[in-house]
Amino acid sequence: EVQLVESGGGLVQPGGSLRLSCAASGFTVSDHYMDWVRQAPGKGLEWVGRITRKTDGDTTEYAASVKDRFTISRDESKNSVHLQMHSLATEDTALYYCAGRGFVDWGQGTLVTVFS
Amino acid sequence: DIQMTQSPSSLSASVGDRVTITCRASQGIRNDLVWFQQRPGRAPQRLIHGASTLHSGVPSRFSGSGSGTEFTLIISSLQPEDFATYYCLQYNAYPRTFGGGTKVEIK
Repeated sequence: EVQLVESGGGLVQPGGSLRLSCAASGFTVSDHYMDWVRQAPGKGLEWVGRITRKTDGDTTEYAASVKDRFTISRDESKNSVHLQMHSLATEDTALYYCAGRGFVDWGQGTLVTVFS
Repeated sequence: DIQMTQSPSSLSASVGDRVTITCRASQGIRNDLVWFQQRPGRAPQRLIHGASTLHSGVPSRFSGSGSGTEFTLIISSLQPEDFATYYCLQYNAYPRTFGGGTKVEIK
């Protein structure tokens, strides 16, 4: 059974950092594109970024709103992907989902709250 | 960036109704479009990819069509479990962009 489990969310002050993780089971993350999507409270979905599969070079792409602040990486030994977030602002407050295999599989999300 | 304009933003309908949701892209995206359903408190679920290909296990009352800049999601006969918010997503170019969502509510 395919499963994605996010972790690492929490409360952080503006300017702070957090590292989110997404642990996969049932498939190998290095064989697939993995995306991060966020949803602010009561709002719609916003694509955050993606890491391509290993055979496509492990390249990353980001939304303009997070570029140069967020970094996506992969840990093959843990079959996981990570979202490192720096310089967090109140507008980054959201439920962060990881999604795999072309948005087929989704985790339950992890909540990031940036408060002043 | 490609803007995805979804309409309507909300609608009220009854069980058995035919529902149509539209997504318009600011530039041509071929058929590089996904439709998602999101129930309250749940993660999104992929319904359709390639604008018209039904994901495995999705009921046949859902259908998608369109190419280029105009796309449509149709629910042919609304069921109680279909009351949810629907989103489109273009994957033709980076950054990927979602439509604003359509909330389907019970009339």
